Amino acid sequence: EPEVTQTPSHQVTQMGQEVILRCVPISNHLYFYWYRQILGQKVEFLVSFYNNEISEKSEIFDDQFSVERPDGSNFTLKIRSTKLEDSAMYFCASSRLAASTDTQYFGPGTRLTVL
Amino acid sequence: GDSVTQMEGPVTLSEEAFLTINCTYTATGYPSLFWYVQYPGEGLQLLLKATKADDKGSNKGFEATYRKETTSFHLEKGSVQVSDSAVYFCALRIYGNNRLAFGKGNQVVVIP
Repeated sequence: EPEVTQTPSHQVTQMGQEVILRCVPISNHLYFYWYRQILGQKVEFLVSFYNNEISEKSEIFDDQFSVERPDGSNFTLKIRSTKLEDSAMYFCASSRLAASTDTQYFGPGTRLTVL
Repeated sequence: GDSVTQMEGPVTLSEEAFLTINCTYTATGYPSLFWYVQYPGEGLQLLLKATKADDKGSNKGFEATYRKETTSFHLEKGSVQVSDSAVYFCALRIYGNNRLAFGKGNQVVVIP
């Protein structure tokens, strides 16, 4: 069964450094998403992406974040200058359609630790 | 805004017991409702969903009914197994929006 994959599974970085989190969505999906979960808190929406553009973003997704689909398979989240409060589990998701009834399929997550 | 509230705290129960996890929501528009499950070391997996009022989603013995009058989507299973130990998340998605809004999740531990 097709699945969303994410690399790395765990990333440790120093405050102020740039990190890139990578995702490979399901191959026939057209809509891509990033969410994050700070320890002990809710899973929060960051951004959605379709047709090489951001289609929706949350107030969390400020100028230090960016997303890109550099080729036909990868979808990346870049954090330019990491802060301690960026430490969280980051989940990538994809869906075939944009409909609110359609299922978003999630990857296993990348645990980001900022020291 | 749109939000989901799940009952507080982990749930510990014995094998073959009845499981209920409460979920209520507030929504500015017309939501679709979802339950996701996260097994240890894995990502979020869709467990079931319901897209309109009075719909019942079901999968793997779990059920949840979309109750518009009480704005609820409680998850139930009649007889849990040790393999059901996981974290369960209730979520909604409003028509026209891309984002899922999640509850905090409930850790379920089933003891043999």
